[in-house]
Amino acid sequence: GIQVEQSPPDLILQEGANSTLRCNFSDSVNNLQWFHQNPWGQLINLFYIPSGTKQNGRLSATTVATERYSLLYISSSQTTDSGVYFCAAKRAGANNLFFGTGTRLTVIP
Amino acid sequence: DAGVTQSPTHLIKTRGQHVTLRCSPISGHKSVSWYQQVLGQGPQFIFQYYEKEERGRGNFPDRFSARQFPNYSSELNVNALLLGDSALYLCASSLLADSPLHFGNGTRLTVT
Repeated sequence: GIQVEQSPPDLILQEGANSTLRCNFSDSVNNLQWFHQNPWGQLINLFYIPSGTKQNGRLSATTVATERYSLLYISSSQTTDSGVYFCAAKRAGANNLFFGTGTRLTVIP
Repeated sequence: DAGVTQSPTHLIKTRGQHVTLRCSPISGHKSVSWYQQVLGQGPQFIFQYYEKEERGRGNFPDRFSARQFPNYSSELNVNALLLGDSALYLCASSLLADSPLHFGNGTRLTVT
């Protein structure tokens, strides 16, 4: 299957700071998604972004498919941004969406 | 509109028993996927169903099975439970097979 690596594994930020999370994948993908898992375990879909750039409020994401990576930007972080951020990728023609091991973000007031 | 609903929320079973987990997708969504998440790891793909047919299966033993009903709801069955099956089981629905996934809150299974 496709390998999905995320960095950094852990990140601690002061409230108001900006951050960039990275996702590298080992093969060409036609499906790339970013999720946020809150401390209660709920997984929320942030972006469906197999290529290009999208923005949603303080969050934005960019996927450079030809170079096999995706970035998630969080600006002006808030304590509610805390949790684990996962990226997940799927090859064209495959059915399995593979998740990375996540980046655990802690935003302190 | 209601999101993805899963039942039960928590379950405690004994080794060797059988368990059935249930999932109702978002209205209009035709695809349901099941994932297992062990503590400290990312979700692992178990099954995907689209239009009531199995579209994909992850690297799980035959003790795991699933099905999708005409109303697009789904069941995940696990036979002969092992301690290692203790995990959060997540169901996700999507409009089509390759659309964005929307997850339910999960069923936390503990096998003793």
